Amino acid sequence: QVQLLQSGAEVKKPGASVKVSCTASGYTFTTYYIHWVRQAPGQGLEWMGRVNPNSGGANYAQNFRGRVTMTRDTSVSTAYMELSGLRSDDTAVYYCASPVGRSTWGQGTLVTVSS
Amino acid sequence: DIQMTQSPSSLSASVGDRVTITCRASQSISSRLNWYQQKPGKAPKLLVYAASTLQSGVPSRFSGSGSGTDFTLTISSLQPEDCATYYCQQSYSPLTWTFGQGTKVEIK
Repeated sequence: QVQLLQSGAEVKKPGASVKVSCTASGYTFTTYYIHWVRQAPGQGLEWMGRVNPNSGGANYAQNFRGRVTMTRDTSVSTAYMELSGLRSDDTAVYYCASPVGRSTWGQGTLVTVSS
Repeated sequence: DIQMTQSPSSLSASVGDRVTITCRASQSISSRLNWYQQKPGKAPKLLVYAASTLQSGVPSRFSGSGSGTDFTLTISSLQPEDCATYYCQQSYSPLTWTFGQGTKVEIK
């Protein structure tokens, strides 16, 4: 079945970078955009950007431009989201999502930023 | 950027009650509006897409309506398993997704 499987939880120090992966299965990876959405503890959903798995092109939300990079590796059907210059308020669950099947989401990856 | 405003931010209702959540877009988004349900510790789940089309497998007590700037999600008879946070999301803009701030639904 269609599935997005994300990498495991991360703990990072302020100023560091984190790279989260999202591996697709059950469909042709290059057919649908991969979006990244984050959710801080007790807060709502915040769209970060999207990557085109076919071309590799990406669009980023204004709030994250300059700090986020979204890439993909078609050989392993995996999308990546790298966030740099981490701050404590980047502590959140990061989700990948795709319009495949109308809407498919990964299970989420908790990133904790703490000194 | 298109802004999405949901109301109320939270509500408490009894089992069997009719519950209505509204979402307003800052500009017309035609019918490009989705509704999600999120339970604690879980990823959001699509309930309604294109403003009024129920996703496969979603109970018929859920319904969506609206177009342009004003949209509504209705639960016709609230059930205990409907306790969750509900988000609207616009998919009109080709380059961005925007979510409403969420509505937390609790059982009274």
